[in-house]
Amino acid sequence: EDQVTQSPEALRLQEGESSSLNCSYTVSGLRGLFWYRQDPGKGPEFLFTLYSAGEEKEKERLKATLTKKESFLHITAPKPEDSATYLCAVQAGGTYKYIFGTGTRLKVLA
Amino acid sequence: NAGVMQNPRHLVRRRGQEARLRCSPMKGHSHVYWYRQLPEEGLKFMVYLQKENIIDESGMPKERFSAEFPKEGPSILRIQQVVRGDSAAYFCASSPPGGGTYNEQFFGPGTRLTVL
Repeated sequence: EDQVTQSPEALRLQEGESSSLNCSYTVSGLRGLFWYRQDPGKGPEFLFTLYSAGEEKEKERLKATLTKKESFLHITAPKPEDSATYLCAVQAGGTYKYIFGTGTRLKVLA
Repeated sequence: NAGVMQNPRHLVRRRGQEARLRCSPMKGHSHVYWYRQLPEEGLKFMVYLQKENIIDESGMPKERFSAEFPKEGPSILRIQQVVRGDSAAYFCASSPPGGGTYNEQFFGPGTRLTVL
């Protein structure tokens, strides 16, 4: 069964304290892995798409990487405005739907 | 360029009533997806539609739930005879032509359904 597991469930960081969020997946034929940010009461906001192992994408303080079994979202020198829930999703071969993990709730303290 | 629009943002229904949730995709997008999010749970896929066609409804309950995406107008997710367990946030996403694969999905702000 296709599955996505994110860890940790929650993470508290001091401003400037870098860390990584993990997304482990089992899927038959990965078409793409997607990272989203979700603020309370809002819809997910697209961040990155990764298609193949070894691929990396960067945007401001965020960097996403992909291996054959997992993806990491690295946050460098985070700021309080980076506080949100970060969602990982995969799209399996032969399907259109996304399979989402339950997310990592990130809180960055000033 | 307006994003994905959903209305209403909040909907309250009593048990047994009908709920209609609307989704207007981003301009130029012809693929619509519906997801449900329960508290402390991830988003769960419900249905994937293109104009006038249901492509994949494998995540949608067989009873009481239906979806459409007509040639003109928004996509509609309809829940008949709502029960308390239907209370959730319902999100719509859209992607551009070229297929639902290899394309990012862009999400709307969601409709929060509360069943009393």
